Amino acid sequence: DVKVTQSSRYLVKRTGEKVFLECVQDMDHENMFWYRQDPGLGLRLIYFSYDVKMKEKGDIPEGYSVSREKKERFSLILESASTNQTSMYLCASGLDQSDTGELFFGEGSRLTVL
Amino acid sequence: GIQVEQSPPDLILQEGANSTLRCNFSDSVNNLQWFHQNPWGQLINLFYIPSGTKQNGRLSATTVATERYSLLYISSSQTTDSGVYFCAVGDGGFKTIFGAGTRLFVKA
Repeated sequence: DVKVTQSSRYLVKRTGEKVFLECVQDMDHENMFWYRQDPGLGLRLIYFSYDVKMKEKGDIPEGYSVSREKKERFSLILESASTNQTSMYLCASGLDQSDTGELFFGEGSRLTVL
Repeated sequence: GIQVEQSPPDLILQEGANSTLRCNFSDSVNNLQWFHQNPWGQLINLFYIPSGTKQNGRLSATTVATERYSLLYISSSQTTDSGVYFCAVGDGGFKTIFGAGTRLFVKA
């Protein structure tokens, strides 16, 4: 079975702190994604990566950066956390849409910024 | 871009009842998935179903690609079926478009 593991289920941080959310997948997928989910706004794509060291902005990249130094690991970084970044963060990995495009999600990381 | 609409937005069932969730999409797609988001927030893969019909236990799904809709059937619902059901389609590039979800509550 595909396994996508997110480093923390629950985090509480203070405004201005630097926050790292890590995601590891074990299926050798080329593509990895970070989404945030907020009530009434659905899932919104923050960043994605289609290869090691490659990254592309999604729909809401402001205030975030990402790192993909190894194929299996995709990190989301909040350089200076703000209260409006309190959210559920979901990592996914998946096959190319030229293949099946099927996505697999981690358990989610619920971040609270005080 | 592709639009994905799910209905109904909310559904309350008595345990043991059957239900049908619908997903309409605005353009042809080459992949479609159904997910269940459990109360802890994880999105669980239910079906990868760009066309045709699949069954897995009490759940089944049908996608009619030519008419741009997919249906998820839940039979003999259980309280553990509660949560949000999402339909998602690929945009042909790298992005996946999610519907707003159907929130299901199954009463004991």
